[in-house]
Amino acid sequence: AQSVTQLDSQVPVFEEAPVELRCNYSSSVSVYLFWYVQYPNQGLQLLLKYLSGSTLVKGINGFEAEFNKSQTSFHLRKPSVHISDTAEYFCAVSDAGGGSYIPTFGRGTSLIVHP
Amino acid sequence: NAGVTQTPKFRILKIGQSMTLQCTQDMNHNYMYWYRQDPGMGLKLIYYSVGAGITDKGEVPNGYNVSRSTTEDFPLRLELAAPSQTSVYFCASSYEDRGLGGYTFGSGTRLTVV
Repeated sequence: AQSVTQLDSQVPVFEEAPVELRCNYSSSVSVYLFWYVQYPNQGLQLLLKYLSGSTLVKGINGFEAEFNKSQTSFHLRKPSVHISDTAEYFCAVSDAGGGSYIPTFGRGTSLIVHP
Repeated sequence: NAGVTQTPKFRILKIGQSMTLQCTQDMNHNYMYWYRQDPGMGLKLIYYSVGAGITDKGEVPNGYNVSRSTTEDFPLRLELAAPSQTSVYFCASSYEDRGLGGYTFGSGTRLTVV
């Protein structure tokens, strides 16, 4: 079974600064990768996904992520954050081969943007 | 479109009581899921369904039951509530089996068992 590690439980950052939220997964087999965002008191929304092709994936709200197969990572980045980006971010991975298709979610990273 | 609708949004139960968390989607998605979210623990899959009449256990099914009589509805039943079931519950749906288009989540039900 896949496992997902989000290395930081909380990332504080000042407004307009760049940010990187880290995500590593366990398996070296083909995978699909996702980042979801959860704003306070809401459900999760899909931010971006990697299925195949270009390793640099662009999502909504100016976020992007890079798939690195050799390092089994899928880190999320934004060059300049806003107060409104304060939220919980979840990385998820599912097996692209014959294994379980249901994504495994990481524990989440709380992004806190200070003015 | 309403997407995925969960009711109630909040509930307090006493130990031993039972309740049903409702989940309805209007996107004609075949695949539906129930997750629980505990602080710092991410999401754990409770049950899922690949279509009407078909359900299967996820990672943490004990203490819960589900049914899927229609494509639209996927209720989650707690029979004998325990404090360990205090959590936020999310229902989600997807068009195809791998959620490649992303999951659509409801806004959650916050349950407290006292």
